[in-house]
Amino acid sequence: RKEVEQDPGPFNVPEGATVAFNCTYSNSASQSFFWYRQDCRKEPKLLMSVYSSGNEDGRFTAQLNRASQYISLLIRDSKLSDSATYLCVVNKKKSSGDKLTFGTGTRLAVRP
Amino acid sequence: DVKVTQSSRYLVKRTGEKVFLECVQDMDHENMFWYRQDPGLGLRLIYFSYDVKMKEKGDIPEGYSVSREKKERFSLILESASTNQTSMYLCASSSFGDYGYTFGSGTRLTVV
Repeated sequence: RKEVEQDPGPFNVPEGATVAFNCTYSNSASQSFFWYRQDCRKEPKLLMSVYSSGNEDGRFTAQLNRASQYISLLIRDSKLSDSATYLCVVNKKKSSGDKLTFGTGTRLAVRP
Repeated sequence: DVKVTQSSRYLVKRTGEKVFLECVQDMDHENMFWYRQDPGLGLRLIYFSYDVKMKEKGDIPEGYSVSREKKERFSLILESASTNQTSMYLCASSSFGDYGYTFGSGTRLTVV
C-alpha cells in the first residue's frame, strides 16, 4: 500500500465550479500535512498546511480527519489559473528528523 | 525569496557515465533533499541531509550517492548512470522544523 494515495484525475471542471480532492495516508504516526501545487513542467510549491481544525485560505479549504487518515482540499469558484496538479503531502517521522512524503498528485483542469 | 538553483535544466548522458547534479540554496537552510519524479510514481526521496557532511538514505538510494561539503550545496552523484535513472531530479531545501520546502526548477536527465 502506498504511504499517500490520491486519485490521479484528471478533474475537468468549468470555471466557477467547486471541486474537492481527497487523499489517504497509511502512517498513523504522521503529524503534519500539506497541499502542494505543481504547474506543468514546474517545481512543486507549498499551497497550504492542513490543521486538525480545518483551515481556509481564500477560495481554498483544507481538512484533516485523523481517525480515517484522510485529508481533503476544497476549491471554490475555480479559476483557469487553478489548473495544476495538487500534491498531498505528509511528514514521515524518522529518528534523524522529519521528512515529507508526497502523493502522486491529482490533476485539475479548469475550462472556460 | 529563497532560491534553490540546480546547475542544469536538461542533461543527456551515456550509460555508465558518472553524473553530478548540483544544487545550491542561498538562504542558509539546514535541510536539503534530492527527489526524483516519474509519471505515476510521484516524487520519491533519494537522499537528504540535515547538516554539513551529514547524509541519510531516502526511499530509493540505490545507484546514487550524495555530498554535502558546504551548507549551501548538496550534490547528487550517479556513480554509473543507467537508463532507468532517466527522470526529473528535484532538489529542495528547508529550515529546521519548517515543512515549507523550496524546490529548484529541476534537472531532466536522460541516460542513453
